[in-house]
Amino acid sequence: DAGITQSPRHKVTETGTPVTLRCHQTENHRYMYWYRQDPGHGLRLIHYSYGVKDTDKGEVSDGYSVSRSKTEDFLLTLESATSSQTSVYFCAISLAPAGGTDTQYFGPGTRLTVL
Amino acid sequence: GIQVEQSPPDLILQEGANSTLRCNFSDSVNNLQWFHQNPWGQLINLFYIPSGTKQNGRLSATTVATERYSLLYISSSQTTDSGVYFCAANSGGSNYKLTFGKGTLLTVNP
Repeated sequence: DAGITQSPRHKVTETGTPVTLRCHQTENHRYMYWYRQDPGHGLRLIHYSYGVKDTDKGEVSDGYSVSRSKTEDFLLTLESATSSQTSVYFCAISLAPAGGTDTQYFGPGTRLTVL
Repeated sequence: GIQVEQSPPDLILQEGANSTLRCNFSDSVNNLQWFHQNPWGQLINLFYIPSGTKQNGRLSATTVATERYSLLYISSSQTTDSGVYFCAANSGGSNYKLTFGKGTLLTVNP
């Protein structure tokens, strides 16, 4: 158990509203990731973080922003949600102390529906 | 970026049967992982295997990095093995960015 929680676990919102998803870890890992999972696409990386205030874009970052003000929390924000952002969002952490080239462990996921 | 392709896309087995899932990747890899997503959506890491062979109980994996493929073997399958199996990889300087395949949906019938 890598001690990863996500909140909320389910959310329904309306187009145009801002949404923030939270990923929380208890074991002080440096690397954290946000993915989205959609039918037919597998998992796709949105953003990742390699330390406090250090973040970078992934494959599908448009429409998303992230923040990491402390080691244990990685926030994903949809500034103005659209129906195309309806998805299941997973947070992950990497256990490698010196880089992201090691095993990733996933949180339970957040199901987001944008109406 | 690296391309990751998995086959077959779907597989149906009877309990007790063996199976092999394949993952092809388009570039040399620094990181290759296999995951299982159970029917409740939970993603579980099975193997970190950029090269070589590993075994964990009824599951084993082999990556032949020079030929750019990895295989996941499931022996004596059980209904609890059902779910989606994902392969994910990264290459070169993109050490932090895993690219996932689209998965193999495995159904094990009793």
